[in-house]
This record gives sequence, C-alpha cells and structure tokens, in this order.
Amino acid sequence: LAKTTQPISMDSYEGQEVNITCSHNNIATNDYITWYQQFPSQGPRFIIQGYKTKVTNEVASLFIPADRKSSTLSLPRVSLSDTAVYYCLVGRLYNNNDMRFGAGTRLTVKP
Amino acid sequence: SQTIHQWPATLVQPVGSPLSLECTVEGTSNPNLYWYRQAAGRGLQLLFYSVGIGQISSEVPQNLSASRPQDRQFILSSKKLLLSDSGFYLCAWSVSSGGNTGELFFGEGSRLTVL
Repeated sequence: LAKTTQPISMDSYEGQEVNITCSHNNIATNDYITWYQQFPSQGPRFIIQGYKTKVTNEVASLFIPADRKSSTLSLPRVSLSDTAVYYCLVGRLYNNNDMRFGAGTRLTVKP
Repeated sequence: SQTIHQWPATLVQPVGSPLSLECTVEGTSNPNLYWYRQAAGRGLQLLFYSVGIGQISSEVPQNLSASRPQDRQFILSSKKLLLSDSGFYLCAWSVSSGGNTGELFFGEGSRLTVL
C-alpha cells in the first residue's frame, strides 16, 4: 500500500474553500485514492474516491494530476461542522485487504 | 441495506482482565472485515483483517487476537489487558474483491479504558 503524507493540521474560516493535499509518490497503476472524514468518537466516513483528473460529488472535489503522485481534496465553503480529521488512503482496486490509514489532517473551521 | 454493529460501546476494564469486542455485519455476504484501534489524539492503526471465515491476518504483534467464527461476525479478544490497550476500537467492512472500490464502512466504535 502506497505511503501517504498529509499536513498534520489546517485552520480555516467559515465560508472559505479548503484544499488538503496528500502526497503518494509510490502510487501503483491499479491504486485508487480515497478520502475519509472522521468526527470525534465516530468511525471514518467515506467522502470521495478517484483514479485520475477530477471527481466531484455533492460534498467535495478531488483533483489528481497526471502523474498521480499527489491528490487534493477540495471542500467548498466550509462550515463549523466540517471540523474533523481527513484521511487520504491509496489502495489497489480489488485488493483492499490492507487498508492502512495515515495520521490524517486535522481541519479546524473557525467562525 | 448493509449495516454494521459493534458492542459494547464503552468498556472499563482492570489491567490483566480479558476482553471481548464483537462486530456483526448485516445485508451482505463474504465481506472483508477489519479491526482498527485509535489511541487518544492519534490516527487509526490496523490491527487485523479477514477475507473469510477463519482467515485472520495480524498487522501488529500484541496481546490481542481476532476470530471470525461466522461469515459476518468478527471478534476482538485479549486474555490479559494492558494499560496500552486503552483506545477507541473500530470494526469495519468492505465488499470483497470483484467489484471492490475500496470503500470501508465503519461501526460505531467501542471505547476501552484499561485501569
């Protein structure tokens, strides 16, 4: 499983766009990139997943450059309720028997 | 729809006592199952994963063990708890290979305090 590197923490203010970048230099051809959100005393929750270019859903966008050695989770117009830890995972499609989380990025949204 | 449950939600145990945390999944067959531990203020550490009944892979050498007696049941155990076993334990499942997008679905968590 490709090792990932994320900033330990980030601060933002309500209404701003937040971009969290994850580095995964050793990503393999079949690896997908998945982001999770975790609130205190809860299990992580799936946010978005992508393989290349750009993926967008109702809560976030995921930007993946052509070399796929990094990815950026973009949260538009954050609110206080977006304060959480965000994890980037890189794993092989059809082989997620070893889903290991990194340290994650603790996002704090301030009023 | 699929659901995952784990219990107990909270547990306070003395050092040296045994432990049993249970996790069950409903609404799916042959899931991959996982146990994670999260120490206070830390990230998630993968402890065990299972791709089928009786098939357990251990990630970290420790005094914990896992068993999968049924397809959708995953149990985390210890014969003698250590102070360092305190933490938030999470069970998760995913679709097995052949349609697997890598999405993990987590239970509500079990908070263990060892005194």
